[in-house]
Order: sequence, then structure tokens, then C-alpha cells
Amino acid sequence: EDQVTQSPEALRLQEGESSSLNCSYTVSGLRGLFWYRQDPGKGPEFLFTLYSAGEEKEKERLKATLTKKESFLHITAPKPEDSATYLCAVQAGNYGQNFVFGPGTRLSVLP
Amino acid sequence: DGGITQSPKYLFRKEGQNVTLSCEQNLNHDAMYWYRQDPGQGLRLIYYSQIVNDFQKGDIAEGYSVSREKKESFPLTVTSAQKNPTAFYLCASSIASRGRTDTQYFGPGTRLTVL
Repeated sequence: EDQVTQSPEALRLQEGESSSLNCSYTVSGLRGLFWYRQDPGKGPEFLFTLYSAGEEKEKERLKATLTKKESFLHITAPKPEDSATYLCAVQAGNYGQNFVFGPGTRLSVLP
Repeated sequence: DGGITQSPKYLFRKEGQNVTLSCEQNLNHDAMYWYRQDPGQGLRLIYYSQIVNDFQKGDIAEGYSVSREKKESFPLTVTSAQKNPTAFYLCASSIASRGRTDTQYFGPGTRLTVL
């Protein structure tokens, strides 16, 4: 069975304190791994798609990396406005719309 | 502006009532999806549609129904058979490239509460 787990469940950082969020997955035939940001009461906002191990993508203070078993979302010098829940999802299989989402990491950045 | 709209933002349902959640997109995407989000859990797929007049059940379709009469629209009906419908409902769409990676984009969500 395809599974996605995320750790930690919640993370508190001081403004400027860099850290990483983890997304571990077990799927057969990874087609893509996705990172989203979700603010309370809102829909997820797309951040990155990663396709293969070794790939990296950056956007402002965020950098996503991918290995064969996990992905990391690195947050460099975070600001309070980076506070949100970060969701990881994978698309797997050779056909169909087989997406599996992780439960998310709730990030709080304190000023 | 291209995007996905959902309405209403908040919805209250009485016991035994059917309610319909609206989802519209102007991204010209072929595929559309409905997810349910509960606290502490990942998004769970209710239904998805890859083309007009066709849709497939997801992991938790019981108590829900959908239609796809137009490419732009994918309404979700929560029927009285759904025993625990209180949740945050999210609609998404994607280009639907068969066999290829397909990024989903989400609407703002509808929060449904059973009274």
C-alpha cells in the first residue's frame, strides 16, 4: 500500500532559525512528489513538483530535495509569514490519478 | 485570473438533508477532484473525473455523489447517507496527462458543519 508520512508533526522556530521538514514515502512507481503550503481555513497552495531522485527546486526561502525514499523541505532564515502547514503528496503508479497525501507539518515561526 | 472557485465557503446541514458543494475552474483542465480534510489526517480522495461525463470513486466515496456535465464544473453532493460529513472539502483540478506527472491545483475549500 502506498504511504506518505511527514515529520515532525509540528515545529516551532525562531525567526531566522533554519530547519528542515521531512516527507517519507513508500510507493510503487513514483511519478512525482509535490509540496504544498496550506494556511488555516484555506486551500493548499502549490509550491514544488519533484520528479526524480537528486532533483532540487528553490523558491525564496524554501528548497525542496528528493531521494529515493524521502523528500526534505529546507527553510532558510524563516520569517513569521512562513508559518503554515506544509503538505507533501506523491503520485504513483502507471495510470490513473493515484495521489497520496501526508498529514502535514504545522510550522510556526516566532518573531 | 485563472483559478478554481468553490462555494459556499461555509455550509450548514441538518440531519437527513442533502447538500451540494460547487466547484468551478477556468484553467481549461481536464481532470477534477474532490477531497475531504479532517484534522490530523491527510487529504482523502472522494471522487475524481478525468473527462466530461465520466468519474471514478476515490477511497471514501460512500455517501457522496458527483456529476461532470461540463468541463468547468464538478459539483459534489453530500447525501444523508454520509454519517459523518462535518469536514473541510477541497476541490482540485489538473491537466490530466495520462501516465505522466500531473500537478493538482486547489480551490479555497468549503467547510461543512452538521447541526
